[in-house]
Amino acid sequence: DAEITQSPRHKITETGRQVTLACHQTWNHNNMFWYRQDLGHGLRLIHYSYGVQDTNKGEVSDGYSVSRSNTEDLPLTLESAASSQTSVYFCASSETHRTDTQYFGPGTRLTVL
Amino acid sequence: EDQVTQSPEALRLQEGESSSLNCSYTVSGLRGLFWYRQDPGKGPEFLFTLYSAGEEKEKERLKATLTKKESFLHITAPKPEDSATYLCAVHLIQGAQKLVFGQGTRLTINP
Repeated sequence: DAEITQSPRHKITETGRQVTLACHQTWNHNNMFWYRQDLGHGLRLIHYSYGVQDTNKGEVSDGYSVSRSNTEDLPLTLESAASSQTSVYFCASSETHRTDTQYFGPGTRLTVL
Repeated sequence: EDQVTQSPEALRLQEGESSSLNCSYTVSGLRGLFWYRQDPGKGPEFLFTLYSAGEEKEKERLKATLTKKESFLHITAPKPEDSATYLCAVHLIQGAQKLVFGQGTRLTINP
């Protein structure tokens, strides 16, 4: 069955380190998204991509970057991890530009000490 | 500013006690409204999409409705397995394919 996976599921790192979170989907969806979920803020969009070589900033993109070299993967990189980036991160994908359902991965819980 | 507000923040019901969750929105232009269910430690799971005022969708004990300013998720005769956080999100006409999420309603069904 097609699915969307994230790895690692849990990560503890130190302030200042570079961290990369992986997202892989097998639906062949063009659109992929990264969100973070925090108490009191709900889900907030970090970056998104409409296809290979396309990336766009969301509402909370500072300190994060993404690259899209193939359809299946959209890794999220924290250039220099900060304690404020402790959160649960979700990847999602959808099929087209228009109002199509976004399907979410299981999440990565990141702790920055 | 585009905003989505869900109420109540938390709701505790007895098994079989029907109720409704509310999602109100003030947005520049609505392309669609989504409902998701999220269990602890898991990603949001898609439930419904509504596109226009007056539209209704049903799935088992859940029914979602949409007006021009809000959406309701009605839960009829709930069971303990319906306990979860229910998230509402709006897809805006402008601003790419961006979903704006509410903060969710945490629903607990006691046996």
